[in-house]
Amino acid sequence: EAQVTQNPRYLITVTGKKLTVTCSQNMNHEYMSWYRQDPGLGLRQIYYSMNVEVTDKGDVPEGYKVSRKEKRNFPLILESPSPNQTSLYFCASSSLSTEQETQYFGPGTRLLVL
Amino acid sequence: AQTVTQSQPEMSVQEAETVTLSCTYDTSESDYYLFWYKQPPSRQMILVIRQEAYKQQNATENRFSVNFQKAAKSFSLKISDSQLGDAAMYFCAYRYGGATNKLIFGTGTLLAVQP
Repeated sequence: EAQVTQNPRYLITVTGKKLTVTCSQNMNHEYMSWYRQDPGLGLRQIYYSMNVEVTDKGDVPEGYKVSRKEKRNFPLILESPSPNQTSLYFCASSSLSTEQETQYFGPGTRLLVL
Repeated sequence: AQTVTQSQPEMSVQEAETVTLSCTYDTSESDYYLFWYKQPPSRQMILVIRQEAYKQQNATENRFSVNFQKAAKSFSLKISDSQLGDAAMYFCAYRYGGATNKLIFGTGTLLAVQP
């Protein structure tokens, strides 16, 4: 089954404690991206990757890091989480082929930073 | 910069009736894509329908159809024969047709379906 998986699905942490949210896709997609969803703001892009070892900032990259060492994985790293990073996070992936550019979303990770 | 506006924070419809959700966008590009995503209480993002800007014909997927007005930069979603399972948050999204697959989302419309 084609899918994007994220782990963990729910996470409660404290300010300053480093954490990683994993994302993996099994569709051999080149493009992967992280979004955060906040009430009244919709989804906003944090970082994206066009392929292995190619990453770039989205609209709200402050406080986040990413890496793309393998095509299937795109982890999101919060080196020193703060309460304003409490949010719902989505990983998404898509092919860069014109005919298959629909983005597939993971199930979401709900993060609470105390 | 491209923006997407959904002016209806909440909408309500009776079961079996038709409802239209509004979306406008701003762009200077001519090549782009538009999407409607559904987010039920599970929070999963589910693609409902997509429209390529170069296509004049409005997209249709079963009970879901769009009214795409390119000159007016309007992209509304019509849900016919509404069902209880249609209750969800609906997001309109824009994607530039260039190299990046970045989606720009509206703020969403919460749709309630009354039995």
